[in-house]
Amino acid sequence: SAVISQKPSRDICQRGTSLTIQCQVDSQVTMMFWYRQQPGQSLTLIATANQGSEATYESGFVIDKFPISRPNLTFSTLTVSNMSPEDSSIYLCSAISDLNTEAFFGQGTRLTVV
Amino acid sequence: GQQLNQSPQSMFIQEGEDVSMNCTSSSIFNTWLWYKQDPGEGPVLLIALYKAGELTSNGRLTAQFGITRKDSFLNISASIPSDVGIYFCAGRNSGYSTLTFGKGTMLLVSP
Repeated sequence: SAVISQKPSRDICQRGTSLTIQCQVDSQVTMMFWYRQQPGQSLTLIATANQGSEATYESGFVIDKFPISRPNLTFSTLTVSNMSPEDSSIYLCSAISDLNTEAFFGQGTRLTVV
Repeated sequence: GQQLNQSPQSMFIQEGEDVSMNCTSSSIFNTWLWYKQDPGEGPVLLIALYKAGELTSNGRLTAQFGITRKDSFLNISASIPSDVGIYFCAGRNSGYSTLTFGKGTMLLVSP
């Protein structure tokens, strides 16, 4: 089965700065997603990363705060912009290989904003 | 939006005991999934359910898709220390829609 690698695995950032998280899949996938998992909480979908076009954001998430790129079928980035302590969370990349399979996840990026 | 109520929130059991957890929804799902998340890792799919009433096993794990399509349960038999983690249910309406996750059940197993 396909494997997702996320970088960085963790980071501590100053408030007001931005962090870009990379998600690399070892094979082509149909769909890619970005989730946020706040401490002790469930997974909340931020957006669906669309190849070659703007991402589709869920309610409560906006492109200015969470710009997403997906230049090809194996790679996506999520940027957390102008960070505040409330952005401290685990950010997870997920993908679906084809529409007959279920979503699989990267190991996550643990972000702490100080 | 849709919400999944997952219970219990946490469980602390002795090795060898059986475990049961469940999810209920205010609306119908066409697919129910169960994931496990180990500390510092992303969720890993355990079992996928596609038909109302379906009962599926994966080793010591058994999950069922409720007949009403509004609920699902996961049972773990003869628990072992490596079962420790957070278990999430997730529902999906159709093949193209996104997943809705429950809040998770944290399982601790004492040797």
